[in-house]
Amino acid sequence: KAGVTQTPRYLIKTRGQQVTLSCSPISGHRSVSWYQQTPGQGLQFLFEYFSETQRNKGNFPGRFSGRQFSNSRSEMNVSTLELGDSALYLCASTFGRGQGHYGYTFGSGTRLTVV
Amino acid sequence: GEDVEQSLFLSVREGDSSVINCTYTDSSSTYLYWYKQEPGAGLQLLTYIFSNMDMKQDQRLTVLLNKKDKHLSLRIADTQTGDSAIYFCAEESRGQNFVFGPGTRLSVLP
Repeated sequence: KAGVTQTPRYLIKTRGQQVTLSCSPISGHRSVSWYQQTPGQGLQFLFEYFSETQRNKGNFPGRFSGRQFSNSRSEMNVSTLELGDSALYLCASTFGRGQGHYGYTFGSGTRLTVV
Repeated sequence: GEDVEQSLFLSVREGDSSVINCTYTDSSSTYLYWYKQEPGAGLQLLTYIFSNMDMKQDQRLTVLLNKKDKHLSLRIADTQTGDSAIYFCAEESRGQNFVFGPGTRLSVLP
């Protein structure tokens, strides 16, 4: 069965631009979470969506936003990019929190470089 | 809030056992997980343990949980060069998001 698909794999943007990243979860998974991974801060939780509703949000500025569609696919958007936004953005899907020991299935990530 | 800590580096010789340690703070965690990340890749779920278990074995992997001390460990038997990666410990409290540790970089020397 197909895994979690993130597109694009690599992206280079300039400061001030905006970017949209896409994530297609495993079929049947309704929960999609986004994480930012940097060498200095590790894995930081951005937000989680379940059935098109944002269920939880991490401690990131309002420039970071997301949404989920009826087919569970999710997008995240970063506006007015800053150099510090350069990171690996990981999407993870699961059946849903509290659903047992399924854990997350992660995508390979989108490597965003802001120049 | 929840916090998960791990040592950042571990180096072992091929064929030896590796033990990666993790401490967590949320005593209500229901499941604890170990993930592996290889260069340029996402995180791969290795194994998990339910909070009412003390030990779980899965082929070369052994997970030990000391709930009193909130200490979790992952033992990899007969470590191979292909095991070189970053290993993340994560906790899930019922109904809450996952909290990940900073990751332990395992280097396997020939």
